[in-house]
Amino acid sequence: GAVVSQHPSWVICKSGTSVKIECRSLDFQATTMFWYRQFPKQSLMLMATSNEGSKATYEQGVEKDKFLINHASLTLSTLTVTSAHPEDSSFYICSACRDPNREQYFGPGTRLTVT
Amino acid sequence: SQKIEQNSEALNIQEGKTATLTCNYTNYSPAYLQWYRQDPGRGPVFLLLIRENEKEKRKERLKVTFDTTLKQSLFHITASQPADSATYLCALTGGGKLIFGQGTELSVKP
Repeated sequence: GAVVSQHPSWVICKSGTSVKIECRSLDFQATTMFWYRQFPKQSLMLMATSNEGSKATYEQGVEKDKFLINHASLTLSTLTVTSAHPEDSSFYICSACRDPNREQYFGPGTRLTVT
Repeated sequence: SQKIEQNSEALNIQEGKTATLTCNYTNYSPAYLQWYRQDPGRGPVFLLLIRENEKEKRKERLKVTFDTTLKQSLFHITASQPADSATYLCALTGGGKLIFGQGTELSVKP
């Protein structure tokens, strides 16, 4: 159990366009989902915490108007990178959990390249 | 501010030996400490969670210790195999989120 999927696994987009990434918990209801980004050879950086039916909580330095998060149900959260720029190119990973203070189950990640 | 440090250098060991990875933290009193494995281009995979009142936890060939006085956790893989080669991440739990260390890259040579 505890499988999390992400879609798409990779995406290339032009500068100025928006990209939506989906995160689904396939076999459990996730009270909380998280969005991370990871640069090469670096650790995961938490971007935001998302609870179903409420507004996401963004980490310091993360622009909430640029990275829109919607948590529509207990099994689905989406991250939309708006007006993407080359510096937004990164590996985006979501995770889901039953208890935000315990283990998280991660998706396989989405490689975003902005040209 | 909270800080988590793992062995910054890659760890290279011979197959069959025990790999020991270190996680130190400061300015924090976590309720839980977790270890994850991450393969290149993939999301992390949960391995073990240990509570602040637990000294040691085991799962198959894995063992984690947690010393809240030293503010340190050790992660051991016994009888290591080439398939254990990956980056291992230490994470502290608090305030409803995880704070990750930078990870230690383990390479097990046959």
